[in-house]
Amino acid sequence: DTGVSQDPRHKITKRGQNVTFRCDPISEHNRLYWYRQTLGQGPEFLTYFQNEAQLEKSRLLSDRFSAERPKGSFSTLEIQRTEQGDSAMYLCASSLETGSSYEQYFGPGTRLTVT
Amino acid sequence: GDSVTQMEGPVTLSEEAFLTINCTYTATGYPSLFWYVQYPGEGLQLLLKATKADDKGSNKGFEATYRKETTSFHLEKGSVQVSDSAVYFCALNTGNQFYFGTGTSLTVIP
Repeated sequence: DTGVSQDPRHKITKRGQNVTFRCDPISEHNRLYWYRQTLGQGPEFLTYFQNEAQLEKSRLLSDRFSAERPKGSFSTLEIQRTEQGDSAMYLCASSLETGSSYEQYFGPGTRLTVT
Repeated sequence: GDSVTQMEGPVTLSEEAFLTINCTYTATGYPSLFWYVQYPGEGLQLLLKATKADDKGSNKGFEATYRKETTSFHLEKGSVQVSDSAVYFCALNTGNQFYFGTGTSLTVIP
């Protein structure tokens, strides 16, 4: 396994368009997280899956954002009616639930630019 | 709510200097604490972790001790190298969510 992968790596879109990102976690990992990172900031939690169940969403997450993990493997993050403020790096991470510590492994991210 | 406060940067050091990056946290319950590193052009990587009070995490010459009494998890390295130039993030986990600090940029000059 080569780690967490994300596709595409870069996306440029016009305001108002919909975009979808894909994340493939490490195969045996049952937890999957989405984050957003803007320049000069740390990753900001968006949502989290355990297997196929979406267990938590950030209160800050607009209803234009939706995420799925249909078979408990890969996940998609969709942003509808994109706005310029959505421009950011979108990070995916996965982890394996073991004991009391959940080490996350991050993908390289998808950089979204909304023009 | 749970949060992490990190020393602001950027930090510039000469090679072989001593490094400290401060991190304090606020959390309900008993969090696990982490330091992540992001090298230029790369994704975040776990540097070290500690899961309970007084634990010391260490990796690649970096160390951090989980201090419950001061709610701190400061990152230290005795002698930095040019290759340590990166952005360092302190993070905590309290179950389902991870909270990250804003990151501290470190530049090491020869």
